[in-house]
Amino acid sequence: AQSVAQPEDQVNVAEGNPLTVKCTYSVSGNPYLFWYVQYPNRGLQFLLKYITGDNLVKGSYGFEAEFNKSQTSFHLKKPSALVSDSALYFCAVRVLSGYSTLTFGKGTMLLVSP
Amino acid sequence: ETGVTQTPRHLVMGMTNKKSLKCEQHLGHNAMYWYKQSAKKPLELMFVYSLEERVENNSVPSRFSPECPNSSHLFLHLHTLQPEDSALYLCASSQGGTSAYEQYFGPGTRLTVT
Repeated sequence: AQSVAQPEDQVNVAEGNPLTVKCTYSVSGNPYLFWYVQYPNRGLQFLLKYITGDNLVKGSYGFEAEFNKSQTSFHLKKPSALVSDSALYFCAVRVLSGYSTLTFGKGTMLLVSP
Repeated sequence: ETGVTQTPRHLVMGMTNKKSLKCEQHLGHNAMYWYKQSAKKPLELMFVYSLEERVENNSVPSRFSPECPNSSHLFLHLHTLQPEDSALYLCASSQGGTSAYEQYFGPGTRLTVT
């Protein structure tokens, strides 16, 4: 079975500071990893994904994530946070082989203060 | 915005009512999904359709009945729901069901069962 853990319910950061939203995963096999963002009263929007290759993945809105196989982590990062980044962030995992669906973490609320 | 639309956006229904949620994707995708999002719980996958065939049903009660008449449309028929079924219901689509393609989400239908 595959699972995703987002250990923080909420992350607070001041505008202009770097941000990190943590994600660890557990799968049998090689993972596909995704980050999504959800703004209030909206559906989830795709930010970035890791499939293979370079461990540092760049995505939308200046976000990036680093795949670390030994630590089974895929933390989301941004060098300089914006107030408009405040939203709910979801990490998700999917196994490479065969048919499988996305398993989502419970989400982390990011609050960026002015 | 994402190419996936859902109607209605809000729905209030009694436990004896019958209603349907509609999802339409304009992205040329061949896989579609229904998710349930409840407060403080991970996103729950309900149903998956790939090439108009249901390929996954995650032990969803029979009071929820999906229908996929073609690759662009997905319905969720509701009858005799319970108050605990109140949630945000999200539809998503993707290029394929077995690949690394990301899912694109609609804005959701906020369902309240009274």
